[in-house]
Amino acid sequence: EDQVTQSPEALRLQEGESSSLNCSYTVSGLRGLFWYRQDPGKGPEFLFTLYSAGEEKEKERLKATLTKKESFLHITAPKPEDSATYLCAVRDAGGTSYGKLTFGQGTILTVHP
Amino acid sequence: GAVVSQHPSWVICKSGTSVKIECRSLDFQATTMFWYRQFPKQSLMLMATSNEGSKATYEQGVEKDKFLINHASLTLSTLTVTSAHPEDSSFYICSAVAGGPGEQYFGPGTRLTVT
Repeated sequence: EDQVTQSPEALRLQEGESSSLNCSYTVSGLRGLFWYRQDPGKGPEFLFTLYSAGEEKEKERLKATLTKKESFLHITAPKPEDSATYLCAVRDAGGTSYGKLTFGQGTILTVHP
Repeated sequence: GAVVSQHPSWVICKSGTSVKIECRSLDFQATTMFWYRQFPKQSLMLMATSNEGSKATYEQGVEKDKFLINHASLTLSTLTVTSAHPEDSSFYICSAVAGGPGEQYFGPGTRLTVT
């Protein structure tokens, strides 16, 4: 069974203080690791998909990296508007639910001005 | 990115009534859509996989007779909560896959409150 563990559960940063969020996963065959941002009362907003170890993707202050066991979401010089819950999910290679995602519990990020 | 919409965004209903939630892919065709449920301060839990033109696949523990899913076209899936009870109150979110092993985009969610 696929498992996704995110750490830390909550992270408080000062504006401009860079940090990283971790996503450890166990999956039979990875067909994508996804990062989403979710604001309170809203659906998840797509950020990145990573498919193979060594892959990296960037968007503004965010950079996602992938190894065979974990992914990191690096936040450089965060701003208060980056405050949100960041969700990691994996999609495995097999099963009848093609495209099914298994989510971690999320990391609640709060950036103070 | 691709856009997925949901309607309604929130609904309040009385215990014992049924509620229908619509999920639409606005600018792409989605052969597969997913329905998730999210309780406060918890992550998303997959309820079922909806495939256009065929029966939905439900996750273990999800009552198929209570949560009816219909994927009538490549842009529309509906979730009907039948005989709703207060414990069905939750945030329901749909998502759609943009063909092949592509990105999965989520709708804005529907807040259901059963009184």
